[in-house]
Amino acid sequence: GAGVSQSPSNKVTEKGKDVELRCDPISGHTALYWYRQSLGQGLEFLIYFQGNSAPDKSGLPSDRFSAERTGGSVSTLTIQRTQQEDSAVYLCASSPSTLYEQFFGPGTRLTVL
Amino acid sequence: SQQGEEDPQALSIQEGENATMNCSYKTSINNLQWYRQNSGRGLVHLILIRSNEREKHSGRLRVTLDTSKKSSSLLITASRAADTASYFCATEGNNRLAFGKGNQVVVIP
Repeated sequence: GAGVSQSPSNKVTEKGKDVELRCDPISGHTALYWYRQSLGQGLEFLIYFQGNSAPDKSGLPSDRFSAERTGGSVSTLTIQRTQQEDSAVYLCASSPSTLYEQFFGPGTRLTVL
Repeated sequence: SQQGEEDPQALSIQEGENATMNCSYKTSINNLQWYRQNSGRGLVHLILIRSNEREKHSGRLRVTLDTSKKSSSLLITASRAADTASYFCATEGNNRLAFGKGNQVVVIP
């Protein structure tokens, strides 16, 4: 079956612009996660969704970051007024529920010039 | 917060040899998972071991978990060139995975 998909695969933007990253989880998976991976910070948790609600936003690095999930499926991560330190690979994962393995998408490589 | 840490961080071995990686963590966990990553993109799940399990096998992979020492090991037996990748341990707790820094494994044909 189809795995987790993410778009775009690459995004280059100028400092100060807003960007929107999309994640399509595996059908039927209720749990959805966003992580980011950068050279300096490794793999960091950003946010977790159970259904459409986000009970844990504690990993979001600043109020410029927000995420939503609609219909218990697709999720978008929005970064406003991007900064160079936002450059990273943003990874989305989904899972049938918590306490299970997570299935990762291929990631979106964001470069902020 | 939980944080897996792998040791060693870089490993170069000959094809056919075994590769062992270790991971330690700080707090209580629900489970511990190992992932593989090629070319810095998507992570592939390898194996999950729950906190009440001590050892688990999957093909050429063997994972151990010692909750008293808060450590885990991943053994890849009879390595192949295709096993060249970065390997991460991740502890599951508080509805998230906390990843270690990763091991770069190079298998020389």
